[in-house]
Amino acid sequence: NAGVTQTPKFQVLKTGQSMTLQCAQDMNHNSMYWYRQDPGMGLRLIYYSASEGTTDKGEVPNGYNVSRLNKREFSLRLESAAPSQTSVYFCASSVVFGAYEQYFGPGTRLTVT
Amino acid sequence: GDSVTQMEGPVTLSEEAFLTINCTYTATGYPSLFWYVQYPGEGLQLLLKATKADDKGSNKGFEATYRKETTSFHLEKGSVQVSDSAVYFCALSQETSGSRLTFGEGTQLTVNP
Repeated sequence: NAGVTQTPKFQVLKTGQSMTLQCAQDMNHNSMYWYRQDPGMGLRLIYYSASEGTTDKGEVPNGYNVSRLNKREFSLRLESAAPSQTSVYFCASSVVFGAYEQYFGPGTRLTVT
Repeated sequence: GDSVTQMEGPVTLSEEAFLTINCTYTATGYPSLFWYVQYPGEGLQLLLKATKADDKGSNKGFEATYRKETTSFHLEKGSVQVSDSAVYFCALSQETSGSRLTFGEGTQLTVNP
């Protein structure tokens, strides 16, 4: 059981470039989430998918898009990266939406220059 | 909206010292409260939780009591170890916000031998 995996671990982009962060879970969880972590601000929810086939905006969705590819995979896309998107990105999953425990991946450290 | 405030870090202690990390919250309803821990280079892990007033969550020697009257959920451990060095996040969730997690800023703890 790998739990929640994320790729890549590190990425450097130039302003305006695009990229997709990948997330997969092997726990048969229904719900998946994308967070960003910035110093002094905790984690903020970008988007979530309560169940396969649905996605919803979180607290800070601007500049991002998501795809729930299947039950296992939930990707986050930056169409035109900006320096303000420099952050550490975490994917998480839970058995069902509203379940108290979320399981987190190891994170992707993204720098936009 | 809902919010969580944690004591400012970083916190540096010697091994076997007593630990308190303060957490207070603002919420309109009756949230569930959590402590997550992030070890270096890893994603967040649930440490403990409490779902109603006066509940005490405990795990790995850590404890926190849900105090509705003071809207607090302070994390304590009687004797810290070097292996407890990590970032600790207080968080809340309630059904009126779709059970999404709202995190505090995080508190960095370093324990020296």
